[in-house]
Amino acid sequence: DSGVTQTPKHLITATGQRVTLRCSPRSGDLSVYWYQQSLDQGLQFLIHYYNGEERAKGNILERFSAQQFPDLHSELNLSSLELGDSALYFCASSVSHRGNSPLHFGNGTRLTVT
Amino acid sequence: DAKTTQPNSMESNEEEPVHLPCNHSTISGTDYIHWYRQLPSQGPEYVIHGLTSNVNNRMASLAIAEDRKSSTLILHRATLRDAAVYYCILPAGNTGKLIFGQGTTLQVKP
Repeated sequence: DSGVTQTPKHLITATGQRVTLRCSPRSGDLSVYWYQQSLDQGLQFLIHYYNGEERAKGNILERFSAQQFPDLHSELNLSSLELGDSALYFCASSVSHRGNSPLHFGNGTRLTVT
Repeated sequence: DAKTTQPNSMESNEEEPVHLPCNHSTISGTDYIHWYRQLPSQGPEYVIHGLTSNVNNRMASLAIAEDRKSSTLILHRATLRDAAVYYCILPAGNTGKLIFGQGTTLQVKP
């Protein structure tokens, strides 16, 4: 158990809809990272938050947005969903933001868009 | 951002040691070397990380070359549960984000 909690585990929705994925980091971790993994694809970095502030953006679509709240949990919002957004979405947390501490990943949310 | 190069796949026999190589010739002096693995249908799992000295933990050992341009992840006794994709990664930029490559797919034969 990594200590990172992601909810829900599974989500099935229709094209055009909007969903929110939630991540609770490990106790004491200030950084939250979001990744997307499509079927048979590698892990794609989406966005990084540290202590409530956005620190880095990766291949995140404009239809996607995220935020980190004062209690350090984070939410990833996906809107105007398309079939191609079906994927596993992973959240990871870390105590720092400098690359000198490990990332601990949650078990992911499996999103299916029909 | 410094990049890493790993073999696409490796095979090992159960209960034998496994040495997974990684080249990172453009590494900077402050880059930590991270190793993660991903089992089928699971999230990535932290294995080990280090800066200059060799590192050991309950899962594996990390041997870092003196010039830091390469490293080797050592699994001392491979088990069937060690079959996974292993990623050697250097954090990108100054945010600690990890950019995953293709990694090395390790097969463990009974």
